[in-house]
Amino acid sequence: AQKVTQAQTEISVVEKEDVTLDCVYETRDTTYYLFWYKQPPSGELVFLIRRNSFDEQNEISGRYSWNFQKSTSSFNFTITASQVVDSAVYFCALRAAAGNKLTFGGGTRVLVKP
Amino acid sequence: DTGVSQDPRHKITKRGQNVTFRCDPISEHNRLYWYRQTLGQGPEFLTYFQNEAQLEKSRLLSDRFSAERPKGSFSTLEIQRTEQGDSAMYLCASSLEGGDEQYFGPGTRLTVT
Repeated sequence: AQKVTQAQTEISVVEKEDVTLDCVYETRDTTYYLFWYKQPPSGELVFLIRRNSFDEQNEISGRYSWNFQKSTSSFNFTITASQVVDSAVYFCALRAAAGNKLTFGGGTRVLVKP
Repeated sequence: DTGVSQDPRHKITKRGQNVTFRCDPISEHNRLYWYRQTLGQGPEFLTYFQNEAQLEKSRLLSDRFSAERPKGSFSTLEIQRTEQGDSAMYLCASSLEGGDEQYFGPGTRLTVT
């Protein structure tokens, strides 16, 4: 069975601070994909990134960066210099390479105060 | 805009009534998914179509739930004899065959009174 755990339910920061969201996963599959989605107050899930299990290179996209560590089954997400528009719920998700369904974590609500 | 669309966006119904939701995926996407999200939780997988074939169903999809994708384009999700526990956001997503990213629609929020 697959499981994704996001231990932080809510994080509050002041604008321009960095924020790191933790994601720990469990799977018996040897090949899998990890994802991060953003859900702003409007409700629509927005795809942010996909990472293959065999590619442990960290990735940076603008103010976003992701740290994938297979040894600790973690796929953490950092927002640098946060902005008010980053306020949203962020979900980490897992999918087996041969599967189709996404298994989501419980989400972390990020509140960025001006 | 050619994203995933869902209709209606909100539905309030009385317990015991039937409801039907519609999802229109991104036009070139062969795969279509339904998820359910309750307040404060992550989305949970319900079912998945490849073209018109329903290939996987979750145990969450009780016999009161039925989903169709008759022509491999839009999909409908029907809930019969609604219960208060069915109150949730119902999300539809689509992806390219062989593709990995699932693109989500805005969801239909169902409230059963």
